[in-house]
Amino acid sequence: IAGITQAPTSQILAAGRRMTLRCTQDMRHNAMYWYRQDLGLGLRLIHYSNTAGTTGKGEVPDGYSVSRANTDDFPLTLASAVPSQTSVYFCASSPRAGYNNEQFFGPGTRLTVL
Amino acid sequence: ELKVEQNPLFLSMQEGKNYTIYCNYSTTSDRLYWYRQDPGKSLESLFVLLSNGAVKQEGRLMASLDTKARLSTLHITAAVHDLSATYFCAVEFSDSNYQLIWGAGTKLIIKP
Repeated sequence: IAGITQAPTSQILAAGRRMTLRCTQDMRHNAMYWYRQDLGLGLRLIHYSNTAGTTGKGEVPDGYSVSRANTDDFPLTLASAVPSQTSVYFCASSPRAGYNNEQFFGPGTRLTVL
Repeated sequence: ELKVEQNPLFLSMQEGKNYTIYCNYSTTSDRLYWYRQDPGKSLESLFVLLSNGAVKQEGRLMASLDTKARLSTLHITAAVHDLSATYFCAVEFSDSNYQLIWGAGTKLIIKP
């Protein structure tokens, strides 16, 4: 089934631990995105990638890193988790930013940092 | 500054009524997207508006775009309980490297 998958679905993490959230799409979309969603703060862009091999910083990139080694995968890494990173994380993809940027979202990862 | 503002942020209405959600944005764009999010769920694409005067309709929802006024509307006709959700608009600006700038969302509750 075409779409975006994210893993894990949810995670409780001790502060200071390293964590990678996984995101895979099978739609051959060029662009991929990571957002966090917090109550009252809407959707905020963390990092994005307009095409494989390139990445860019969004509105709230600090404490997060990404890589885009191929078209399908876009992992998000928290090098040393802090409680303020407790959030719901959504991965999304779109055919091509600047041309067709209709974004399709994964199911989300609910992360709690204690 | 690139801004997208939605209003109202919260709307409670009765079934059968009509209402409109507004999405204003700060600078030139002709690419606007509407999404729906149910509680605890992901976001689902509703409408893609890619030119001035674009109008899209799906069931009881109709979206339009006026690029000169920098305004999009999402109109709900004869609301039903199943349309209860949070609705987001997002605008693509060239100045943001074509990343979407999101509105804060409108939480819509439709009472049966």
